Amino acid sequence: QKEVEQDPGPLSVPEGAIVSLNCTYSNSAFQYFMWYRQYSRKGPELLMYTYSSGNKEDGRFTAQVDKSSKYISLFIRDSQPSDSATYLCAMGPGANSKLTFGKGITLSVRP
Amino acid sequence: DAGVIQSPRHEVTEMGQEVTLRCKPISGHNSLFWYRQTMMRGLELLIYFNNNVPIDDSGMPEDRFSAKMPNASFSTLKIQPSEPRDSAVYFCASTSNHEVDTQYFGPGTRLTVL
Repeated sequence: QKEVEQDPGPLSVPEGAIVSLNCTYSNSAFQYFMWYRQYSRKGPELLMYTYSSGNKEDGRFTAQVDKSSKYISLFIRDSQPSDSATYLCAMGPGANSKLTFGKGITLSVRP
Repeated sequence: DAGVIQSPRHEVTEMGQEVTLRCKPISGHNSLFWYRQTMMRGLELLIYFNNNVPIDDSGMPEDRFSAKMPNASFSTLKIQPSEPRDSAVYFCASTSNHEVDTQYFGPGTRLTVL
């Protein structure tokens, strides 16, 4: 079993839809959970960051962590064509430790 | 701020040739990471440095790969000899010890080994 598993996609939704992206993991030592967004032919950029369990909201984006189930999610409300990108989950055991990334899921939001 | 700078942006070479990828981290950042991204394997950490010292190189695929960080503003990743299976996008990222796990990625080097 890989340390981090991410739904493979791709995913195509109409504009305005609610999008749910998910990752599971196996390493109980992971404490920091992140979502990165990567546009085509660009480097990944940090979108959301959460420590331990709970929810975090930032505008149309909500990150959710359930450590008991080893499951994290990213919800995008009122999705826009500009949200079309690859989304990677990432996690690590501590500050400035190495991160383990999911393989990423490519999202396409149709106008 | 300029962000993480990588060069070259594209590299096409023939099998057996030496390849050197370069990275300039964000000024003031203490940690530097080298990643490789492919469709099959996703984003994989190769090696990371803290304060110019290699901390974990367990992701380096084999002895053909080597990385150096001679000072706080420059790092290289070298592949010698290169093989077609090394074709990938190589990213450099940096972070500050004061910004927990917020890694800033460069634009990447797209390497093609023929």
